[in-house]
Amino acid sequence: DAKTTQPTSMDCAEGRAANLPCNHSTISGNEYVYWYRQIHSQGPQYIIHGLKNNETNEMASLIITEDRKSSTLILPHATLRDTAVYYCIVRVSSKSTFGDGTTLTVKP
Amino acid sequence: ETGVTQSPTHLIKTRGQQVTLRCSSQSGHNTVSWYQQALGQGPQFIFQYYREEENGRGNFPPRFSGLQFPNYSSELNVNALELDDSALYLCASSSRTSGSYEQYFGPGTRLTVT
Repeated sequence: DAKTTQPTSMDCAEGRAANLPCNHSTISGNEYVYWYRQIHSQGPQYIIHGLKNNETNEMASLIITEDRKSSTLILPHATLRDTAVYYCIVRVSSKSTFGDGTTLTVKP
Repeated sequence: ETGVTQSPTHLIKTRGQQVTLRCSSQSGHNTVSWYQQALGQGPQFIFQYYREEENGRGNFPPRFSGLQFPNYSSELNVNALELDDSALYLCASSSRTSGSYEQYFGPGTRLTVT
């Protein structure tokens, strides 16, 4: 599985869009980009995934660059409850280890 | 639809003891993965079970073992506990038949080894 690089931490104002970047320059053609988040002391929660095209669901949008070497998770209107650690994972199966993720703090 | 459940919630064991953690997968899911999460780190993949067979293993010693049952529930067993085994143990279920691999995690079991 390809390695990912994420910023250690980010802040976002409540009600604004949170844009979380992820670099995965060694991604292979059949690897998907997955995003999960983990709110303190809970199990990780699946957010969204994509292969090539941009994806949107009720939680977030995923923008993948054309060369697939990076992606951005967008939370369109961040709330205090979105404060969590966000993990970007690149893989073809469900067997990979998570990195240390980005700690997103949403501030009032 | 029932989500992923794990038991017990918390557990305290002594170094050298053995422990069994349990996981019930989400309805319709045939694959269970186990992860270890130390404080301040991301989840580390231990192993995965698919149709009662081990289907991949991370960098963990043989004293970490598992089982999957016909109803797709699973157990994680750890023998000869060490202090470094203190962590949150997470179970995640997924369905290989869906063609993608989004996983649904349980709340975890917090294991403390003294």
